[in-house]
Amino acid sequence: GNSVTQMEGPVTLSEEAFLTINCTYTATGYPSLFWYVQYPGEGLQLLLKATKADDKGSNKGFEATYRKETTSFHLEKGSVQVSDSAVYFCALNRLGSNDYKLSFGAGTTVTVRA
Amino acid sequence: DSGVTQTPKHLITATGQRVTLRCSPRSGDLSVYWYQQSLDQGLQFLIQYYNGEERAKGNILERFSAQQFPDLHSELNLSSLELGDSALYFCASSVDLNTGELFFGEGSRLTVL
Repeated sequence: GNSVTQMEGPVTLSEEAFLTINCTYTATGYPSLFWYVQYPGEGLQLLLKATKADDKGSNKGFEATYRKETTSFHLEKGSVQVSDSAVYFCALNRLGSNDYKLSFGAGTTVTVRA
Repeated sequence: DSGVTQTPKHLITATGQRVTLRCSPRSGDLSVYWYQQSLDQGLQFLIQYYNGEERAKGNILERFSAQQFPDLHSELNLSSLELGDSALYFCASSVDLNTGELFFGEGSRLTVL
């Protein structure tokens, strides 16, 4: 079935450091890929998405590129802030399939220190 | 604010009891999803409804049930509660079925003592 694997955390960084969170996926067909973020005490919210190969999703300084050849969708940010401290989830959804649910990775906890 | 409302925010109960969690989706969203988030198992998909009909089932225990009502709100019923059911239960909604753009509520934290 469809699944995503993301790097285990926790990840601790200093402010202005570069952040990368690895995500790889397994799916038949052509899934859409997503990054969700969960800030402390809140529900998940969509951070960015990409619906086809070579698409780049971006939001709030975060970027991720849909790489079909490596089945990856790594999240990057060039200069993190304390406010980026959160749990980040990679997810996939196969458009048009009977598998309606969104499959999430295990989540990566990121802590940014001032 | 995602527009998804969940009640109650916190719930403490005893083993063997039954609880009901309620979710009001965003205005206009027809699809409702329930997820369970625990420390050891991460975010687990439980069940999805679309316009009142069950459309997908995940790792939902037989002791759990859900439904979506004509006004599109949804309830998740958890019965014969066990200590291991303690978790954060999220409701999410979306406009249609095949989208990955879900809007999550703030969750209902269930503690079973």
